[in-house]
Amino acid sequence: GQQVMQIPQYQHVQEGEDFTTYCNSSTTLSNIQWYKQRPGGHPVFLIQLVKSGEVKKQKRLTFQFGEAKKNSSLHITATQTTDVGTYFCAGYNNAGNMLTFGGGTRLMVKP
Amino acid sequence: SAVISQKPSRDICQRGTSLTIQCQVDSQVTMMFWYRQQPGQSLTLIATANQGSEATYESGFVIDKFPISRPNLTFSTLTVSNMSPEDSSIYLCSVHSGVYNEQFFGPGTRLTVL
Repeated sequence: GQQVMQIPQYQHVQEGEDFTTYCNSSTTLSNIQWYKQRPGGHPVFLIQLVKSGEVKKQKRLTFQFGEAKKNSSLHITATQTTDVGTYFCAGYNNAGNMLTFGGGTRLMVKP
Repeated sequence: SAVISQKPSRDICQRGTSLTIQCQVDSQVTMMFWYRQQPGQSLTLIATANQGSEATYESGFVIDKFPISRPNLTFSTLTVSNMSPEDSSIYLCSVHSGVYNEQFFGPGTRLTVL
C-alpha cells in the first residue's frame, strides 16, 4: 500500500533559524497536503500542491512538490516560537480517494 | 469549511469497558472519517463512515472492536469496545470539505484506559 515518510522526526532550532521537513511517498501522488498540529490541538490544513514542481508560499513558509510528484518539502524561514508544532504531509493516491499521512516532523523553537 | 464537535473531550476508563465517542458536523457530508493518534505519533485511519451503509475499516481495525454508527449526514459515533491500555489514544473525527477537499478535524477525544 501507499506509504508516506517524513524526515526528520524531530527538529530543535533556535528562534530565527530556518527549518525544513521532507516528505517522500512510495507511490506517485495526485496531490499533497500539509497540516500543522499545535501541541494539544488537532491538525489544521495549511496548503495543497497539485502540479509537478509546484512551489507555493505563505509568508515565511515555502512548500514544494517534486517533479515526479513523489516528494515534497516545507521550509520555514526565520522560525518564530509560534511555529512550534508538528507538521504533517498527507498525500492522495492517483485515484484521489485515499489520503495517507506522513509520520510528522515535530518542530521545537528555542526563544 | 466545516466545524466539528466531539464528545467527550477526554475520558479515563477501566479495562474491559466500552466508550462511545460522538461526532457532530455543522454541515451535511457524505463521508466521515475516524482516526486514531497515539501519543507522539501520526494519524492512522480507522474507518470511513458512510450514511446508509456499513463503515469501511482499514487494515488492522475490525467492526467488533470499533463499531461505528452513521444515522444521518451530520452525525457519527465510534465505540471503542472491551478496552485495554493499548487503546489509550486520541480519537479524531474528520470530514472532507473546502475548496481543496482538505480534511477538517474535530478537537479529538483523549482516551486513557487503566
